[in-house]
Amino acid sequence: DAGVIQSPRHEVTEMGQEVTLRCKLISGHNSLFWYRQTMMRGLELLIYFNNNVPIDDSGMPEDRFSAKMPNASFSTLKIQPSEPRDSAVYFCASSLGSVSGANVLTFGAGSRLTVL
Amino acid sequence: AQSVSQHNHHVILSEAASLELGCNYSYGGTVNLFWYVQYPGQHLQLLLKYFSGDPLVKGIKGFEAEFIKSKFSFNLRKPSVQWSDTAEYFCAVNRRGNNDMRFGAGTRLTVKP
Repeated sequence: DAGVIQSPRHEVTEMGQEVTLRCKLISGHNSLFWYRQTMMRGLELLIYFNNNVPIDDSGMPEDRFSAKMPNASFSTLKIQPSEPRDSAVYFCASSLGSVSGANVLTFGAGSRLTVL
Repeated sequence: AQSVSQHNHHVILSEAASLELGCNYSYGGTVNLFWYVQYPGQHLQLLLKYFSGDPLVKGIKGFEAEFIKSKFSFNLRKPSVQWSDTAEYFCAVNRRGNNDMRFGAGTRLTVKP
């Protein structure tokens, strides 16, 4: 298995542009997490899905952010319009969700976003 | 709201020194506890985990962590660090029966050769 695959690895864009980050889950995993990592705030949970359904999106900063899971193996995180304060590394992680929550997350390599 | 606190932002040690990184969490009930490590330029990977049973858990590369329920703590330890342990270490917690995973802010460890 190739692991969790994120694209793009790096993106530089200008303020106001739309940004779409992509994530492919590990085959068989049914939980998907999006995190944002910054120096100031560490690793923040933005949203997570179980079986394609968003469970908790309370970490999404504002309406400019949206996430979808159009199918069981793929997710997108969209920022529209982007702002310089959105600059961060965005990580996707997947796991085989269980009732007990005793899940180990497998992380992707991250997408480093720079908004000028 | 649940929170995970890591007390040390940056720790600098010499090789062979002992390490202890603190982690506390704020919510009651049964929890699952994790430590993840992020080596420079790499993505996060699991170091060790606690679900139940013996509160002293051993992970990869000689790391261990002890769950002390009364203190809501899950501190990470290693008796003798190596230069290759230079990395950022994240404590993470989720509640039993809940799939969300919350991370602490991370502790950056620098080991001087």
